[in-house]
This record gives sequence, C-alpha cells and structure tokens, in this order.
Amino acid sequence: LAKTTQPISMDSYEGQEVNITCSHNNIATNDYITWYQQFPSQGPRFIIQGYKTKVTNEVASLFIPADRKSSTLSLPRVSLSDTAVYYCLVGNNYGQNFVFGPGTRLSVLP
Amino acid sequence: GAGVSQTPSNKVTEKGKYVELRCDPISGHTALYWYRQSLGQGPEFLIYFQGTGAADDSGLPNDRFFAVRPEGSVSTLKIQRTERGDSAVYLCASSLGTGGYGYTFGSGTRLTVV
Repeated sequence: LAKTTQPISMDSYEGQEVNITCSHNNIATNDYITWYQQFPSQGPRFIIQGYKTKVTNEVASLFIPADRKSSTLSLPRVSLSDTAVYYCLVGNNYGQNFVFGPGTRLSVLP
Repeated sequence: GAGVSQTPSNKVTEKGKYVELRCDPISGHTALYWYRQSLGQGPEFLIYFQGTGAADDSGLPNDRFFAVRPEGSVSTLKIQRTERGDSAVYLCASSLGTGGYGYTFGSGTRLTVV
C-alpha cells in the first residue's frame, strides 16, 4: 500500500485559496488519489478523486503531475466552515482498503 | 437509505463486557469497511467485506474483535471482553467496490469502556 506524506497542519484566512500537497512516491499504476474531509464528531467525507492531470468539482480541484508522485488539493476561497482535517489516500478501488495517515488539520481564521 | 447509518451513536460499557456495533450501508454497496479512530489520529483499518465474506480482516487487533455481514448488507462489529484501550470511534464505510468511487462513511459509534 502506498504511503502518503502531508503537512500536519495549515492556517489560512477566509477568502484565500488553500493548497494542500501530498507526497506519494510509491504510488502504483492502478492507484487512484482520493481526498477526504473530516469534521469533529463526523466520519470522513469524500471530496475528490483523480488519477492524473486535473480534476475539478464544485468543492475543490485536484492537481496531479505527470509522475503522479504527489498531488495538490486546492480549495478556492475558503470559509470558516472549511476548518477540518483533510486526508490524502492512495489505492485502487477494487476492494483494497485505504490507509489513512494523520491528515492535515486546516484552520481557517477570520 | 441515503447514507451509511451506524447505531448506536454512543455506547458506554464496563470493562469486560460484550458489545455489538451495527452498520447499515448504502443500498447496493457491495463493499463495507470498518475503521477505528482514536482522538487526533486518522482512521485505522479493521476489516473489509465484499458481499457476505470478509475479504481482508488483517486490521482486527486480536481475537476479541469479530465482524459479520450475513446477508451482504448490514454488518455487526462484535467486541468481547472489552478493555479500556478499545475506547474509540468506530467508523463504518461502504462503496460500490468498483473503480473510480470513494467510500461513504457513517458518523461512527463512540465507544467508551469504563
């Protein structure tokens, strides 16, 4: 299972764009990159998933370089409600469990 | 249902007692996962079901932990002779089990062993 490395914590201000980068040097050919968001007292919530290049949805964008050894989650114009822990995971979806690291604790300040 | 449902939301039990935690996945999701999360940590994998069978139970910490999914939908995580170290939030997730989809998690069961 590919391991991931991401910053333990980040601070930002309301209205700013936040980029959280995750390293996954041992990613396998059939692995996807998935990001989850977790608020206190809730289970992690799926944000976005990608395989290569760029993926965008209504919540975030995910940038993946050609070598796929890293990925960047981009949250546009964050608000206080984006304060949460963000997890980067790699793995395939064919029944393989994903390994969660400690995640990145994002604090959005007013 | 619309989401993954876990019951109870909170459970307090005495050391040495037996507990059962229930997970009702999204209808049609063939894959079901149990994770355990301690304060300040990421979720830790326990066991994964594909249909009725446990495809991977390598995360179960010891033989006091057991999980079943007899009809391929609802799953029950069973913990015997609970210990204070078992206190954590137990999360259940389900997925379609095919490429390109992430997990949907429930809100978890907070287990406190006193």
